[in-house]
Amino acid sequence: IQLTQSPSSLSASVGDRVTITCRASQDISSYLAWYQQKPGKAPKLVIYAASTLRDGVPSRFSGSGSGADYTLTISSLQPEDFATYYCQQFNRFPRTFGQGTRLEIK
Amino acid sequence: DVQLVQSGAELKKPGESLRISCKASGYSFITYWLVWVRQMPGKGLEWMGIVYPGDSETRYSPSFQGQVTISADTSTTTAFLQWSSLKSSDSATYYCARRGQWKVGDFYYYGMDVWGQGTTVTVSS
Repeated sequence: IQLTQSPSSLSASVGDRVTITCRASQDISSYLAWYQQKPGKAPKLVIYAASTLRDGVPSRFSGSGSGADYTLTISSLQPEDFATYYCQQFNRFPRTFGQGTRLEIK
Repeated sequence: DVQLVQSGAELKKPGESLRISCKASGYSFITYWLVWVRQMPGKGLEWMGIVYPGDSETRYSPSFQGQVTISADTSTTTAFLQWSSLKSSDSATYYCARRGQWKVGDFYYYGMDVWGQGTTVTVSS
């Protein structure tokens, strides 16, 4: 299953609302997770089951979608949110990732 | 604390063999799948394969099948990723991660909830 994220990069300001899209090549039935990765660090799980926020993740993060189309939204960007975000599907092996969306400070 | 601690950075020559490790602690090692993920310099994440320490079942991405071997040792709660003959294209950072599982409604869903710190492998003559 191929995952295509858009945009590949995004410039935004603190306080902005941003949305990242992840489109699968087939229905993945909400078996989707989102990760945040900062330079030189391991990724961190943000959302699983397409829309369930992991414990401890700020409520400004949200996920939605169904079928083959999913989104990650950050409602009000904070300085610590500037990072690269990846989606990953768990519907079929191999458990593929999207190519990543780099979120930069404008 | 639940932790995955990986072995240190490696500098190897093409054709050499290598095994890197991922030591788990703070949870029941045999009941969670462990995943290996590759990240080449400046690139995205690639899912390599997965092992279930409870019975050593493994699954590989077709991209990595036959290129690496994934295993786990329950006596030391350690997972391994190994190469028999490294290539320069194997230069990357490798992460191990635990596959978490949660029940949402009537179904179980997954995500990689605990990650190692990464092991950087450099293959150069």
